Parts: sequence; structure tokens; C-alpha cells
Amino acid sequence: DTEVTQTPKHLVMGMTNKKSLKCEQHMGHRAMYWYKQKAKKPPELMFVYSYEKLSINESVPSRFSPECPNSSLLNLHLHALQPEDSALYLCASSQLGNTIYFGEGSWLTVV
Amino acid sequence: GDSVTQMEGPVTLSEEAFLTINCTYTATGYPSLFWYVQYPGEGLQLLLKATKADDKGSNKGFEATYRKETTSFHLEKGSVQVSDSAVYFCALSGLGAQKLVFGQGTRLTINP
Repeated sequence: DTEVTQTPKHLVMGMTNKKSLKCEQHMGHRAMYWYKQKAKKPPELMFVYSYEKLSINESVPSRFSPECPNSSLLNLHLHALQPEDSALYLCASSQLGNTIYFGEGSWLTVV
Repeated sequence: GDSVTQMEGPVTLSEEAFLTINCTYTATGYPSLFWYVQYPGEGLQLLLKATKADDKGSNKGFEATYRKETTSFHLEKGSVQVSDSAVYFCALSGLGAQKLVFGQGTRLTINP
């Protein structure tokens, strides 16, 4: 069973707030990902963790801060976001070099 | 670099019609190919995949065949249903790569 669980499903935050998105998988996958998806566009890769170490950062602004506390968890810390950061944030996981499975996403609105 | 070109949408069909969504790719080596589906308000779900030439992926009545000679991975379904209304993304991943390269997505609407 392939399942990636994301919380919260919806988040509204002000530009001065600090919040976090959370992601969990119990498939034993050693790679975890954050993607950002704007309306009517494909997902864009933000970060990749391999064996709990950051392996790819696609030049994401520092107001987005990823964290991988262990092999099952992935967080995305949000601070001082802008309205244009409003989007669907997708977490995903995979075995290294294998099929990537996505979660249901967290809908973020920055006001 | 690697790229995926998808048939532009939106595509509107009647229930029970035959569906084809075209996908072609450019890549070095032998990538894996995927179709993901995104239902309204949801995340991406893996629909099917193929990892080598001439492989056919299939799921829920959808099929796609990895054609290396034409660098294509077209999605087909013989008889669509209203519940198939969604956005479909073709994607590739290079050998050992940690990145998916997506097409632009095709919005499919099925009318009863």
C-alpha cells in the first residue's frame, strides 16, 4: 500500500506567521521530496532528501526551510511568506531511483 | 536537457468515447516513463508506468506503451467514464535520477 500522509490539508497564514507542513510515510522509502504546484501547472521540485540528508535544493528562497527528523518524516517550515507563495504543496517519497509516490497535498493560502 | 511534451488540452469527450492523450519525450539514455492523474482538489496519483522499451503499463482500463523508436508514451482508454475527469501528467525520470520531468498536463472532461 503506497501512502504518503500530509497535514494540514488546508492552511491560511499571514505574512508574519511561522507555520509548518508535515509529511509522513511508512513504506521504508529513503528519499523524500517537497514539490510546489500552482494552479494549472505541473508540480515543481523544491527539495529532495536522501537518507535524511538534503541532496537537492532547487534554489528555493530561505523563507522555506525543510527538515527531515527521521526516515519517515519530512517537514517544511514556513516563515515570512508572500501571497505569491500560495499554492498546493506536495510531499512525495520513493526508494532511491524508483517510482515517486505523492501525498494528497497541503493547500496553502498566504494573506 | 530532458523534456516531456504533452498534447495540449483541455480535452472534452462524451462518456464511453475512446481516449488518447499524446506524450512524447526527449531524454538521454533510457528513462522510466509515468502517467500521473490529479483529480479535482487532490494530489497526484500514479496511474501507470513503464521502465523499458516496449513495456506496456496498464491500470483502471488505461494503457500506455513505451515506444523508443518514436520516443512516445501515449495514454489510451477504450471507454471513458465521467469519473475519469481529471488532469493527466506525463512524466519521465532518468536512470537513478531523483527528479521527475513533467509535461504541462492535459485537463480531461467527460460529459455524461
